[in-house]
Amino acid sequence: AQSVTQLDSHVSVSEGTPVLLRCNYSSSYSPSLFWYVQHPNKGLQLLLKYTSAATLVKGINGFEAEFKKSETSFHLTKPSAHMSDAAEYFCVVSDRNNDMRFGAGTRLTVKP
Amino acid sequence: ETGVTQTPRHLVMGMTNKKSLKCEQHLGHNAMYWYKQSAKKPLELMFVYNFKEQTENNSVPSRFSPECPNSSHLFLHLHTLQPEDSALYLCASSQDPTVTDTQYFGPGTRLTVL
Repeated sequence: AQSVTQLDSHVSVSEGTPVLLRCNYSSSYSPSLFWYVQHPNKGLQLLLKYTSAATLVKGINGFEAEFKKSETSFHLTKPSAHMSDAAEYFCVVSDRNNDMRFGAGTRLTVKP
Repeated sequence: ETGVTQTPRHLVMGMTNKKSLKCEQHLGHNAMYWYKQSAKKPLELMFVYNFKEQTENNSVPSRFSPECPNSSHLFLHLHTLQPEDSALYLCASSQDPTVTDTQYFGPGTRLTVL
């Protein structure tokens, strides 16, 4: 069965420093992988997704993620954090129809 | 705005009440979903509809009853809920319920069961 593990429940960075949110997945097939962001009192918004094309995926707001099959990882990065990046981030794996598995989420705090 | 709206945004109900959550998508999608988001737990998929037909029921208790009258509207009827049902209920839609398709989420309904 597919599953996803977000290795950090909370990450705190200073504004202007790099962001790294870690995600490992488990899947028996060729999965699709997604990162979603959720700001307070809002729904989830897609940041980026991997669907078996280029392994380095660029998303909105300067975020990117690299699919590493050998490490079963799909970590999310951003070179320079902005205050508006403070939110909850969810890594998601899907390897069959009707079934997306969400990680528990990583709360990103950005300090001024 | 993602094109998916949910009403009401907040709902407080007693355990004996009957209420309904409404979701509407303006994206022309064919698939719609209900998720439950509880504190400290991953999102849980509850139901999936594709072309108005239910294709997934993730072992959800019968006190939750979905209804999909057309591809643009999705309801979740609630009755005799328990306090542990308090959560954020999210609706989403996608073009198709496939592995690669992106789901677009509404803002959610914050439900409190007293």
